[in-house]
Amino acid sequence: QPVLTQSSSASASLGSSVNLTCTLSSGHSTYIIAWHQQQPGKAPRYLMKLENSGSYNKGSGVPDRFSGSSSGADRYLTISNLQSDDEADYYCETARVFGGGTKLTVL
Amino acid sequence: QVQLQESGPGLVKPSETLSLTCTVSGGSISSYYWSWIRQPPGKGLEWIGSIYYSGSTNYNPSLKNRVTISVDTSNNQFSLNLSSVTAADTAVFYCARHDAGGKTLEYWGQGTLVTVSS
Repeated sequence: QPVLTQSSSASASLGSSVNLTCTLSSGHSTYIIAWHQQQPGKAPRYLMKLENSGSYNKGSGVPDRFSGSSSGADRYLTISNLQSDDEADYYCETARVFGGGTKLTVL
Repeated sequence: QVQLQESGPGLVKPSETLSLTCTVSGGSISSYYWSWIRQPPGKGLEWIGSIYYSGSTNYNPSLKNRVTISVDTSNNQFSLNLSSVTAADTAVFYCARHDAGGKTLEYWGQGTLVTVSS
């Protein structure tokens, strides 16, 4: 089973951009992952599926401000033009395993 | 649009069995994998187990001895039983559907809080 590693926290200013990283463990660098957003007090919401090629497919209604990319074992979620609503926990997930989540604070 | 709804008791006594059902609407339960996930208060997400519509299952090794997941295709539902619960099992429980390839999650239920207390 892969292990997914995420930074516990990140912060960025309103209107700026932020990159969140999810790193796959050794031997699992080709895995497809998904990114999920969990706003305070709400259920997780599927954002996108991201392949090792960098190709991604977003869920219905996910704004264009959200994009994904890949490099080796790293999978990135980029949020541009940060809004206050983007303040949430972000989880990467694959093969029945979750990363520990990154708490994003919008300053 | 696929929708999932969890249902079941919000309070379970220690040593008893927690039972939840997930009802799927807006799509068929067939041809997909379905999972249960839990989130203790203030903590991250933990996968509990999955079931294919045909009935084949796999479970988190840390919970395997206490978990049973079943599917009822005629009612478009799948269920979770977690036995011998303790206060450490208090969590929000989510049901979810995997994508067509079965590798990642794509749809989530709204979640239901289950508290284990006497």
